[in-house]
Amino acid sequence: GAVVSQHPSRVICKSGTSVKIECRSLDFQATTMFWYRQFPKQSLMLMATSNEGSKATYEQGVEKDKFLINHASLTLSTLTVTSAHPEDSSFYICSAKNYFRDLDTQYFGPGTRLTVL
Amino acid sequence: DAKTTQPNSMESNEEEPVHLPCNHSTISGTDYIHWYRQLPSQGPEYVIHGLTSNVNNRMASLAIAEDRKSSTLILHRATLRDAAVYYCILKGAGSYQLTFGKGTKLSVIP
Repeated sequence: GAVVSQHPSRVICKSGTSVKIECRSLDFQATTMFWYRQFPKQSLMLMATSNEGSKATYEQGVEKDKFLINHASLTLSTLTVTSAHPEDSSFYICSAKNYFRDLDTQYFGPGTRLTVL
Repeated sequence: DAKTTQPNSMESNEEEPVHLPCNHSTISGTDYIHWYRQLPSQGPEYVIHGLTSNVNNRMASLAIAEDRKSSTLILHRATLRDAAVYYCILKGAGSYQLTFGKGTKLSVIP
């Protein structure tokens, strides 16, 4: 149990286009989802936290108008990278929590590798 | 958040035990010690967590020093599939965020 999926696993796009990444909790309801970014040979950096039905909370330095997050249901959150540029190329990872099941654990998706040409 | 210090890398022979250390001298009384690991090109995976007492699960054991200023993740028998970056993270009881450091890259030698 506690499986989180992401789609797509890889995406290559041209500079200036927008890319949407989906994060789904497959067998539990995710009251809170998190989005991380990881550059090569670096650690994960939290970008934003989203609670179902409310606006996401962004970490300092993350542009909310560039990285649009929607958490419209208890099993789905989406991250849209708008007007992507090569510097946005990174490994994007989501995670989910279920407060009704396990207060202390985050369940991570497999990640989405974005390459912007 | 209180900081953790881990060695950058460690090596282990396959089928031998591995002890991954973590120092957290500024830990507060309500901080839990969490361990996650990240296999290459994958998202992190929960390993184990504890507060004061040693903990065991099917993946690993967590030994926590009496003064809680350090802890050790123990893999009882390393396999090639255990090659990953291991992150030691402190999380307050009321906090929901995880702050990842650089972790320890574990290499397992066949």
